[in-house]
Amino acid sequence: LAKTTQPISMDSYEGQEVNITCSHNNIATNDYITWYQQFPSQGPRFIIQGYKTKVTNEVASLFIPADRKSSTLSLPRVSLSDTAVYYCLVVFNTNAGKSTFGDGTTLTVKP
Amino acid sequence: DSGVTQTPKHLITATGQRVTLRCSPRSGDLSVYWYQQSLDQGLQFLIQYYNGEERAKGNILERFSAQQFPDLHSELNLSSLELGDSALYFCASSVGGVPLHFGNGTRLTVT
Repeated sequence: LAKTTQPISMDSYEGQEVNITCSHNNIATNDYITWYQQFPSQGPRFIIQGYKTKVTNEVASLFIPADRKSSTLSLPRVSLSDTAVYYCLVVFNTNAGKSTFGDGTTLTVKP
Repeated sequence: DSGVTQTPKHLITATGQRVTLRCSPRSGDLSVYWYQQSLDQGLQFLIQYYNGEERAKGNILERFSAQQFPDLHSELNLSSLELGDSALYFCASSVGGVPLHFGNGTRLTVT
């Protein structure tokens, strides 16, 4: 299984763009990369998923280089409510749940 | 609201006891995943069911078992409980292979 590595914590200020990188050196051909946000005492919330290149939705962008050994979650213009733990997940095979969550990155947004 | 319902929200029990955690997936979702989250272990994948059948198994102890019923709800049974089993247990659901919708978890405290 692909093991993921993320920075333990990051600080930012309101209105800034935040980029969180996840390393997944052993990613397999069929693996997808998914990012989640988690607030204390709540379940993780799906943010975005990608396989290669760039994916964008209404809340974030995901950049994946050609070798797919890393990915970067980009949050534009963060606000205080974006303070949370962000997890990178490499999904083993598109139809199996055997997946490895990273340790997560605690993002703290300051005023 | 993710559409995933977990009951009970809190559970306090003694060592050696057995408990059952219940999960109702989001309407239309066929896959159910169980995760354990403790302070020192992060989010650990336990097991996945797809339309009633076990699809993938993670680091699930032999004292733990799960099943998915014909109405697609799932139960996680934890027996011979130990202090170290105290954790948040999350259920997630999806149509296919990516755990998309998480419940808010059951907090288990073993005393």
